[in-house]
Amino acid sequence: GEDVEQSLFLSVREGDSSVINCTYTDSSSTYLYWYKQEPGAGLQLLTYIFSNMDMKQDQRLTVLLNKKDKHLSLRIADTQTGDSAIYFCAELMEYGNKLVFGAGTILRVKS
Amino acid sequence: NAGVTQTPKFQVLKTGQSMTLQCAQDMNHEYMSWYRQDPGMGLRLIHYSVGAGITDQGEVPNGYNVSRSTTEDFPLRLLSAAPSQTSVYFCASSYGGEGYTFGSGTRLTVV
Repeated sequence: GEDVEQSLFLSVREGDSSVINCTYTDSSSTYLYWYKQEPGAGLQLLTYIFSNMDMKQDQRLTVLLNKKDKHLSLRIADTQTGDSAIYFCAELMEYGNKLVFGAGTILRVKS
Repeated sequence: NAGVTQTPKFQVLKTGQSMTLQCAQDMNHEYMSWYRQDPGMGLRLIHYSVGAGITDQGEVPNGYNVSRSTTEDFPLRLLSAAPSQTSVYFCASSYGGEGYTFGSGTRLTVV
């Protein structure tokens, strides 16, 4: 089946690290993504990881993939107030290049 | 500018009216899709296309039609608008796993 789950809310202090977690169900997914959405805006692709990788780092962002547990996480180092947004995890289904999204995690950064 | 263009940005419809949401991309992407975003539910796939002349249903297709006569355009038609179709609609295009681009969205209200 196709199901992606995320925790709904995360609150951190400015300068701390944020970790947003996601679980997915389709083991044949080839790519997994993290998107950011600010209020009233569209979706911005933050980063992605290919299914044969365990980790990917891109500046302040680190993605960890545990294929055995079908668990994906996004770590944001030195979190800033500008990182406050909704973060969506998504998996790419093989046929049709379809994305299946989680419900999103609201990240609130307190100064 | 390269990207995915959606029009209109905002629309108010009366129940029973029909309309077409436009989506165009200039990146020669094979894959295009339509999603709707409702509060607390993430993005859900309405219809998608794997190439010109080929479309298929997503998770929530009822009340919507699509066609893909060219690579560039993928319009979404609401046949007889209902209040349950009040949502934000996003069009997206991709050439593969690494290149998923979203439009800026159409905010639709049905009264």
